[in-house]
Amino acid sequence: DTEVTQTPKHLVMGMTNKKSLKCEQHMGHRAMYWYKQKAKKPPELMFVYSYEKLSINESVPSRFSPECPNSSLLNLHLHALQPEDSALYLCASSQDNSPGWPQHFGDGTRLSIL
Amino acid sequence: QKEVEQNSGPLSVPEGAIASLNCTYSDRGSQSFFWYRQYSGKSPELIMSIYSNGDKEDGRFTAQLNKASQYVSLLIRDSQPSDSATYLCAVSYSGGYQKVTFGTGTKLQVIP
Repeated sequence: DTEVTQTPKHLVMGMTNKKSLKCEQHMGHRAMYWYKQKAKKPPELMFVYSYEKLSINESVPSRFSPECPNSSLLNLHLHALQPEDSALYLCASSQDNSPGWPQHFGDGTRLSIL
Repeated sequence: QKEVEQNSGPLSVPEGAIASLNCTYSDRGSQSFFWYRQYSGKSPELIMSIYSNGDKEDGRFTAQLNKASQYVSLLIRDSQPSDSATYLCAVSYSGGYQKVTFGTGTKLQVIP
């Protein structure tokens, strides 16, 4: 069982819908990440939060909006997505944001945009 | 552009054999190296971390790092069909923050 919990596991939404992906970890980690992964491709970094502050935004379209309410929780708010946004969305956490700490992934949310 | 290169495979090995997975990276400032295993449709699972030159062993897995050659490898001894997965090499470089570059992964098939 993973120590990073993501909900929901699957999500189907229309292009006009608003939904949120949730991620929770109880390992005391202070860095949390959102990745997008398409089939047969490596994970692609979207956002990094360090000590609850956004430290990296990899030029992600504004239809993706991250939020870190506290040190254990990370949300990704979705609005007006496009079919090409269909992918596996992965949350990860690490001890902190310095190089060297391995990242631990949740099981992911498989997102389908109709 | 920091790059991490892996042969996409598939790499096919018979059950019980040693599987050797290789990875090269472009940034000499890279500090930390990770191997992840990803089963089809699942999320990446951390297998090994290695930070200094040489070998690091954990059970059937051995990671090898050669910073001079910018090369990191993963050996899997006594390969099992359950080892069949895609193996992602990930490299973290010194930039003041944790940003990991993933290779495209090598698909391993262990034939019973």
